[in-house]
Amino acid sequence: SQTIHQWPATLVQPVGSPLSLECTVEGTSNPNLYWYRQAAGRGLQLLFYSVGIGQISSEVPQNLSASRPQDRQFILSSKKLLLSDSGFYLCAWSEGAFFDDSPLHFGNGTRLTVT
Amino acid sequence: KQEVTQIPAALSVPEGENLVLNCSFTDSAIYNLQWFRQDPGKGLTSLLLIQSSQREQTSGRLNASLDKSSGRSTLYIAASQPGDSATYLCAVETSGSRLTFGEGTQLTVNP
Repeated sequence: SQTIHQWPATLVQPVGSPLSLECTVEGTSNPNLYWYRQAAGRGLQLLFYSVGIGQISSEVPQNLSASRPQDRQFILSSKKLLLSDSGFYLCAWSEGAFFDDSPLHFGNGTRLTVT
Repeated sequence: KQEVTQIPAALSVPEGENLVLNCSFTDSAIYNLQWFRQDPGKGLTSLLLIQSSQREQTSGRLNASLDKSSGRSTLYIAASQPGDSATYLCAVETSGSRLTFGEGTQLTVNP
C-alpha cells in the first residue's frame, strides 16, 4: 500500500533562517506531488506541484522554493524565512497526470512557526 | 477564478442525528469534486471523490452528491457519532493537477 511521510511534525525557526521540509512517498511510481499551506482561518493554498523529477510548477510567488530530486521525494525550502511563512504545510500525492478518479492523499503536515 | 464556499462554517449536533454539509463552487467546468476530513493538527483524509459525470458516491454512512450545473455538492452523514467530529473540506478540480479548497465546516457531534 502507498504511504506518505512528511517531517518534521513541528518546527520553530527564527526570521531569516533557512527552511527545509521533506516529503517522501512509498508504494507508487511517478506520483504527482504537491505542497500546500494552510493558514489559520484560511483554506488550503497550493504552493507547488510536480508531475516528474525536476519538474516544478509554482502557483504563488513567494520566497519559498521546491525541488524533486528523486521520483518520490519532494522538498520545500526557503533561504530566509519571513514571519508570514508561519503556517501548516501539507505534502500530498496523487496518481497520474490528472486527478480524474485518483484522490489526493495527504501527509500529516508540518506546523511551522517563524519567530 | 474558481471559488469554493462551505456552509455552515461550524455545526454542532447531538449524537445519532443525520446531517448535511454544503459546498458550492462558482465555475461548473470541473473534473471532479472531493470531500476530505481533517482532524485537529493533522493532514487531510480523502473521504469521497465524485467525477464530473457522476451524481453521487457512497461510503458507509457517508453520501456525497454533485449537481455540477448548479455548482453544488452535499455531504450527508447518517447517524452521526462523536468520532465524526472533525473539519470537513470540499475541493474541486477545474484544470489539470489543481484543486481549489473550501475553508471547511467544523463539525462537533456531542455524545
